[in-house]
Amino acid sequence: GAGVSQSPSNKVTEKGKDVELRCDPISGHTALYWYRQSLGQGLEFLIYFQGNSAPDKSGLPSDRFSAERTGGSVSTLTIQRTQQEDSAVYLCASSSPGSGIYEQYFGPGTRLTVT
Amino acid sequence: GNSVTQMEGPVTLSEEAFLTINCTYTATGYPSLFWYVQYPGEGLQLLLKATKADDKGSNKGFEATYRKETTSFHLEKGSVQVSDSAVYFCALLNAGNNRKLIWGLGTSLAVNP
Repeated sequence: GAGVSQSPSNKVTEKGKDVELRCDPISGHTALYWYRQSLGQGLEFLIYFQGNSAPDKSGLPSDRFSAERTGGSVSTLTIQRTQQEDSAVYLCASSSPGSGIYEQYFGPGTRLTVT
Repeated sequence: GNSVTQMEGPVTLSEEAFLTINCTYTATGYPSLFWYVQYPGEGLQLLLKATKADDKGSNKGFEATYRKETTSFHLEKGSVQVSDSAVYFCALLNAGNNRKLIWGLGTSLAVNP
């Protein structure tokens, strides 16, 4: 079946511009995660959505970052007034409570470059 | 807090060599443990998992055993291939409310023919 999809696959933007990154989770998966993978570093948790519960935003690095999930499916991560340190690969993952093990399935990522 | 420590890379091996990538963790409760792999130019993929002590996860010739006494989940493969060249990430799943993965920094593996 279809996996997690993300768009765009690559985004180059100028410092100070806003960007929106999109994630389409696997159908039926109620949990959705955003991570950031910076060059030479591990994955950094950003935000977590679970069903209709309030999202866990504890990983967002600043108030320039926000995310929403509409209708319990598609999610958009927005970065306002981008900075060069925001350059990274942004990964989305989804999981299903029904799995019993909460395996997370990852999308291919969006590579963001801020010039 | 919860954390994962894995051996630093890069690791360079010849084809058919034995592979071990060490991973140790610190966690409260009983986390689930995972190895993910990222092949060049591709997204992260789940390689194997274990959910309780003494479980052995295995896939594609790779194995890892959940050792609670040593808080370890070392990845092993008896005979690596060039196609195994990738970055390997150890992770634990927090047993708390948010179910977020706690990641190691990744270990790059290069297998030469």
